Amino acid sequence: QKEVEQNSGPLSVPEGAIASLNCTYSDRVSQSFFWYRQYSGKSPELIMSIYSNGDKEDGRFTAQLNKASQYVSLLIRDSQPSDSATYLCAVNTYTGGFKTIFGAGTRLFVKA
Amino acid sequence: EPEVTQTPSHQVTQMGQEVILRCVPISNHLYFYWYRQILGQKVEFLVSFYNNEISEKSEIFDDQFSVERPDGSNFTLKIRSTKLEDSAMYFCASSERQDLYEQYFGPGTRLTVT
Repeated sequence: QKEVEQNSGPLSVPEGAIASLNCTYSDRVSQSFFWYRQYSGKSPELIMSIYSNGDKEDGRFTAQLNKASQYVSLLIRDSQPSDSATYLCAVNTYTGGFKTIFGAGTRLFVKA
Repeated sequence: EPEVTQTPSHQVTQMGQEVILRCVPISNHLYFYWYRQILGQKVEFLVSFYNNEISEKSEIFDDQFSVERPDGSNFTLKIRSTKLEDSAMYFCASSERQDLYEQYFGPGTRLTVT
């Protein structure tokens, strides 16, 4: 069974701080990795995608991928109260066809 | 900005009834998906669809479920003989490609089976 694991949190950070969210995955051959943000009662909203080892930056967000360690992370700089949400890690896996497996998510709370 | 739309936003049905959930994917996208999220649980893949065929499905997607693209814009999920445990949010998503490309989600349909 292919798994995506996240710490459920909640992760609480003060406004302006860096929030660090982590994810591990079990399928060694996975090639595509995504971070989604989900507000309560809403649908997942894509924040970042990453396909190669290393860092990828987009505004206040940086995704980091280490395929050898099967580890993906998301850094949120200058955290704002509006960043308070559940962050979902998602991994594409191939089992005869592609499917996306989501982690259970990490709840982030940014204190004003 | 193009977006995925879903109707209805909330569907209430009695156990044993059939429901059809509707989605309009982003117009230039070729791959379509359905996901389910039971309250408080993770987003679960149900099925992916390309070129009028199912390309992958999960263990959840059994004979109770079917998908269809009845015309050039709509993508539907039919759930036959609904059960209490089918109560969940159902999300439709679409992407330009399946392997590497990002999926964009619709707002979801909340299905309540009574």
